[in-house]
Amino acid sequence: QKEVEQDPGPLSVPEGAIVSLNCTYSNSAFQYFMWYRQYSRKGPELLMYTYSSGNKEDGRFTAQVDKSSKYISLFIRDSQPSDSATYLCAMSARGGANSKLTFGKGITLSVRP
Amino acid sequence: EAGVTQSPTHLIKTRGQQATLRCSPISGHTSVYWYQQALGLGLQFLLWYDEGEERNRGNFPPRFSGRQFPNYSSELNVNALELEDSALYLCASSLVQGVETQYFGPGTRLLVL
Repeated sequence: QKEVEQDPGPLSVPEGAIVSLNCTYSNSAFQYFMWYRQYSRKGPELLMYTYSSGNKEDGRFTAQVDKSSKYISLFIRDSQPSDSATYLCAMSARGGANSKLTFGKGITLSVRP
Repeated sequence: EAGVTQSPTHLIKTRGQQATLRCSPISGHTSVYWYQQALGLGLQFLLWYDEGEERNRGNFPPRFSGRQFPNYSSELNVNALELEDSALYLCASSLVQGVETQYFGPGTRLLVL
């Protein structure tokens, strides 16, 4: 079993739709959870960063972490064509030699005008 | 504020050659991370440098090596190139050792023929 599993996609939605992206993980030591957005031929851009369980909202984006279920989600409200990109979940245990990020494989989202 | 920069943007090599990739972190960031993003495999952690020292290493053979300079910039060297080394190599930096918020550069696309 991979440490981080992400729905493979791709995902295509109409403009204005609510998008739900999910990842599951197996390593209970993970405490830091991130979502990155990667446009074609670019490096990943940090979207959301959450420590431990709970919700975090930033504009149209909401990140949720449920550590008891080892499940994280990213919601995008009122999706726009500019949201079309690959979304990667990433997570890390706390500090020291555990500072490496473990990524899901990413899901490609296409928002149709 | 300038982001993480990487050079070159593209690199073409033949099997058995050596490749050198360079990274300059965000000003004030002391930690540099290297990741490989190969088609179908997602982002995989390669190396982590902090304060000039290698702190952690991913599951890659020893022909992948690197170093961090006193100005915190970093170099990734790949010796005895193999076809499967073709990938996007991403560098990320973070502010403090052990802090998981990493910011990525645009990457170097390495093609091994």
